[in-house]
Amino acid sequence: GAGVSQSPRYKVTKRGQDVALRCDPISGHVSLYWYRQALGQGPEFLTYFNYEAQQDKSGLPNDRFSAERPEGSISTLTIQRTEQRDSAMYRCASSLGGRSDEQYFGPGTRLTVT
Amino acid sequence: QKEVEQDPGPLSVPEGAIVSLNCTYSNSAFQYFMWYRQYSRKGPELLMYTYSSGNKEDGRFTAQVDKSSKYISLFIRDSQPSDSATYLCAMSAPGNQFYFGTGTSLTVIP
Repeated sequence: GAGVSQSPRYKVTKRGQDVALRCDPISGHVSLYWYRQALGQGPEFLTYFNYEAQQDKSGLPNDRFSAERPEGSISTLTIQRTEQRDSAMYRCASSLGGRSDEQYFGPGTRLTVT
Repeated sequence: QKEVEQDPGPLSVPEGAIVSLNCTYSNSAFQYFMWYRQYSRKGPELLMYTYSSGNKEDGRFTAQVDKSSKYISLFIRDSQPSDSATYLCAMSAPGNQFYFGTGTSLTVIP
C-alpha cells in the first residue's frame, strides 16, 4: 500500500522567498506530524494535526513557519521569507490516531536556501 | 539536558554479532518507546513500538525497556550487512510529542 509521500523531494530557493512543502499521509491516518531533521541528528518536532485541527505548534521555530491541513488529509508546511538557517530535511509522518500512536515517516523534502 | 540521550557511535561489528543499541532519558512520564531504522538518504522506518517495561521480540530484534533506570535497548541478533543503518530511539509521554535521540550509526562488516 502507499506510504507517506512528500513533495517536492528537493527544493532550492533563494533567501527571502516563500516555500510550500506538501505531505500526503497514509490513507485513513488521522494524525499528521511535521519534523525537521538536521544531518546527524534525530527528527525535531515542529507541529501536529488531528484531522484538520492543529493540536500543537510549539515546535515551530518562529512565525515565518506555518502549517495547515484544511481537509484533514494533505498538509502544507509553509516557510515565509526563507533564511539560510532554514536549510534542512523536512519530514512528515502520520499515524492512525492518537498522539502516542506508531508514526510512519515519508521520504522528506530537502530544502536548501541559497 | 536533552530529553533523550543516545550515543551516536559509529558502531562497527562483524556479521553475525549481537548488537546492542541504547538510549537513556530523563522524563519519568515517558511511556511510549519506538525504535526506527534509517538508511542513508531515506526516511526513518519503524522497527519496534513498546508501551511498557520488559521485552518485546520481533524476529532478530528485541526491544527492552527499563523504566526504573530510564533506559531502553534494542538488540539485533545474527546481524547482517543489510542492518547497516542509523538507529533512532524515540519516546513520549501520553498525549505529548515524541522526542528522538540523535541516532546511532551501525556498520555490519561481511
